[in-house]
Amino acid sequence: DAGVIQSPRHEVTEMGQEVTLRCKPISGHDYLFWYRQTMMRGLELLIYFNNNVPIDDSGMPEDRFSAKMPNASFSTLKIQPSEPRDSAVYFCASSGGGGLADTQYFGPGTRLTVL
Amino acid sequence: QKEVEQNSGPLSVPEGAIASLNCTYSDRVSQSFFWYRQYSGKSPELIMSIYSNGDKEDGRFTAQLNKASQYVSLLIRDSQPSDSATYLCAVGEDSSYKLIFGSGTRLLVRP
Repeated sequence: DAGVIQSPRHEVTEMGQEVTLRCKPISGHDYLFWYRQTMMRGLELLIYFNNNVPIDDSGMPEDRFSAKMPNASFSTLKIQPSEPRDSAVYFCASSGGGGLADTQYFGPGTRLTVL
Repeated sequence: QKEVEQNSGPLSVPEGAIASLNCTYSDRVSQSFFWYRQYSGKSPELIMSIYSNGDKEDGRFTAQLNKASQYVSLLIRDSQPSDSATYLCAVGEDSSYKLIFGSGTRLLVRP
């Protein structure tokens, strides 16, 4: 399996622009997680999906952030409008689920810089 | 607020020594525990998972779990410079399938 795939790997944009990050989870995994990582705040869970349905979006910082999962093999995280404080590495992870919280496999991340 | 606590380090050990990384957690009902390694500029990768009290060994790595003390640790034997990385402890919130991550311990193995 190719693992979790994210695109783009790097994104540089100007304040106010729309940013869309993309993720393809591991085939057969029922759970998909979006994280943000910064030096100051560490790894933060933004939102996660189970079988394409958003379960918990309490980590989404504000209304400028939105996420969708239209099918089992694709998810997007959108920031509109972007701000410099959104600069971070955004990771997507997937897991197979089961009776207990299962191992999450991370994608390579998208490094976002908002100027 | 469920928490996972780690010493941020850096923990500096000489090559060949045993590195001991520790983690405490607040959720008494957690059943699943994970150690991830993250190299600078890379994504977290799983080293080990542990679900039962006691020790679990995998090569040079040993995870130790004590649920009564709410404590999980990772031992790295014969540390190598290539082990220099940040180690993230994660605890499963099994009712939600989320993982609660600690802030990580930075390990530096000196040649």
